Amino acid sequence: AQTVTQSQPEMSVQEAETVTLSCTYDTSESDYYLFWYKQPPSRQMILVIRQEAYKQQNATENRFSVNFQKAAKSFSLKISDSQLGDAAMYFCAYRSDYMNRDDKIIFGKGTRLHILP
Amino acid sequence: DVKVTQSSRYLVKRTGEKVFLECVQDMDHENMFWYRQDPGLGLRLIYFSYDVKMKEKGDIPEGYSVSREKKERFSLILESASTNQTSMYLCASSSRQGGHSPLHFGNGTRLTVT
Repeated sequence: AQTVTQSQPEMSVQEAETVTLSCTYDTSESDYYLFWYKQPPSRQMILVIRQEAYKQQNATENRFSVNFQKAAKSFSLKISDSQLGDAAMYFCAYRSDYMNRDDKIIFGKGTRLHILP
Repeated sequence: DVKVTQSSRYLVKRTGEKVFLECVQDMDHENMFWYRQDPGLGLRLIYFSYDVKMKEKGDIPEGYSVSREKKERFSLILESASTNQTSMYLCASSSRQGGHSPLHFGNGTRLTVT
């Protein structure tokens, strides 16, 4: 069974600095997707960034980028130029790309990110 | 934009009551999910549904049931609420078109059982 591990329950970063949130996963599959979701204090979870396992190039969305190391099964999220609005709980998630598999998405336990003004 | 609407933001119920949590999505998504979120435990899947009238147990289905009579609506039912079901409940939906389809979440329902 697949697992997702976020080893940092909480982190803090100074505004305008860069922070990296770590995520490791375990799977025997070769085709899958990885996601980072953000849950601000208002609670609605939103997608931050997505990575296809077959792509070697790391995904980037504005100030958010990932470091995807497939062999090491590592998927970290880097936030550049941190802003107060980045304060949230961040969840790493895994989804299989195999057909006929159930569509369960596996989440890590989350990392709460604090932004210090 | 996909909208996933959960009927209540906050709910307070008594032990033993039957509780209905409703979720509606407006994007014709095949898949719908109910998660429970607790501090330190992350998101745990209760049930999911990949089609009308279809349901699959997630990781923690005990004490819960679900109903999906229409594609856009997925209900979570607590047959006899207990205090250990006090939690945040999140509904989500996604397209079934491949693993790249992300989840779209509702705002959550904070349920307190007293």
